[in-house]
Amino acid sequence: ETAVFQTPNYHVTQVGNEVSFNCKQTLGHDTMYWYKQDSKKLLKIMFSYNNKQLIVNETVPRRFSPQSSDKAHLNLRIKSVEPEDSAVYLCASSLENYAEQFFGPGTRLTVL
Amino acid sequence: QQKVQQSPESLIVPEGGMASLNCTSSDRNVDYFWWYRQHSGKSPKMLMSIFSNGEKEEGRFTVHLNKASLHTSLHIRDSQPSDSALYLCAAASGSWQLIFGSGTQLTVMP
Repeated sequence: ETAVFQTPNYHVTQVGNEVSFNCKQTLGHDTMYWYKQDSKKLLKIMFSYNNKQLIVNETVPRRFSPQSSDKAHLNLRIKSVEPEDSAVYLCASSLENYAEQFFGPGTRLTVL
Repeated sequence: QQKVQQSPESLIVPEGGMASLNCTSSDRNVDYFWWYRQHSGKSPKMLMSIFSNGEKEEGRFTVHLNKASLHTSLHIRDSQPSDSALYLCAAASGSWQLIFGSGTQLTVMP
């Protein structure tokens, strides 16, 4: 049963283009996250958003930016994609810190 | 440098056998561990969490934690082919973020 929704499922684009991915959760959770999962399946946190407070992993390039309209939505924008951005981007939510995180199905990005 | 190390990278067990997966953090501030399971082509789903020393059992799954060594292990008894998946260990240290290990790929052979 999916409660964290992501669109699109797949996206293929060229270097330098801008892309946006959407995420919505219907669990009533207060915190949402974006993760990047690379080809070796390593999962890395990119952003956390809680009560309009954004926390950024300092290793994330500036071309990535999260966008939130309310606590149920957290979108991800990549301003000028690069080949190393090819990965699966996973959105997640949790009731609070230290609580179980529920993941969406992911968006697979391929940068040509 | 990765702060959460998992071993082995891959594991093959026969159906009905016991699978044992390990995870260690190098961050002395870690105080909470999770185990997530990710089937091929799917998203991770939480299996179990542990923050106290000792053992926690849920059905066929048992998790151990040794806080002094920052080591946790996941044991799956009576393994089933449906248990074949990537098992991810994650740790938190009072901050906002989970640090994931690179996972153990478990294959249960019928």
